[in-house]
Amino acid sequence: QQPVQSPQAVILREGEDAVINCSSSKALYSVHWYRQKHGEAPVFLMILLKGGEQKGHEKISASFNEKKQQSSLYLTASQLSYSGTYFCGTEYGYTNFGNEKLTFGTGTRLTIIP
Amino acid sequence: DSGVTQTPKHLITATGQRVTLRCSPRSGDLSVYWYQQSLDQGLQFLIQYYNGEERAKGNILERFSAQQFPDLHSELNLSSLELGDSALYFCASSVNGIDTDTQYFGPGTRLTVL
Repeated sequence: QQPVQSPQAVILREGEDAVINCSSSKALYSVHWYRQKHGEAPVFLMILLKGGEQKGHEKISASFNEKKQQSSLYLTASQLSYSGTYFCGTEYGYTNFGNEKLTFGTGTRLTIIP
Repeated sequence: DSGVTQTPKHLITATGQRVTLRCSPRSGDLSVYWYQQSLDQGLQFLIQYYNGEERAKGNILERFSAQQFPDLHSELNLSSLELGDSALYFCASSVNGIDTDTQYFGPGTRLTVL
């Protein structure tokens, strides 16, 4: 079951803030966030486990709301280097069915303009 | 540079043919994952191996198979290729292959089926 990301695309000026949401219809075990620049491989940003914790690296942070089955990625004071497509990947726990393994959303394209 | 290597970088072949994609994980990582990224399907998990054994299976077609060798490198075999198999194929590796591991992606192999 593919998580739903919103918005699908966003354009910001340098220095502005952005929030990208990732919602699931099933109870989440973990959420992974990746950024992918055009023509390159996804790059890991962070993993969040159920429990509502918030994580962050400098100006990029994320939260996990277990009750809402949702994670949000926060980018503050955006820089040109933040441009790319952001994917959330969700996992629902240990399973032998395999297709419950990391399932990616369709991505949010972030464009930062000077 | 994630430390994960994939060869070849590009592959062009014809329908009905068979190809092998190769992946070498980061030093010390025991688990390898394969993903397919196409324009219409997004990023999809195919299969995971841990220390030579299949750990999880996702949306992998029967025409596709993979294995992980004793030296931990992995190969993804795609046979009876169809036009729709054209995509970017990523390999990722992680230390223990558990849900909360960070996955490091290789640069990908772009497969074009004509």
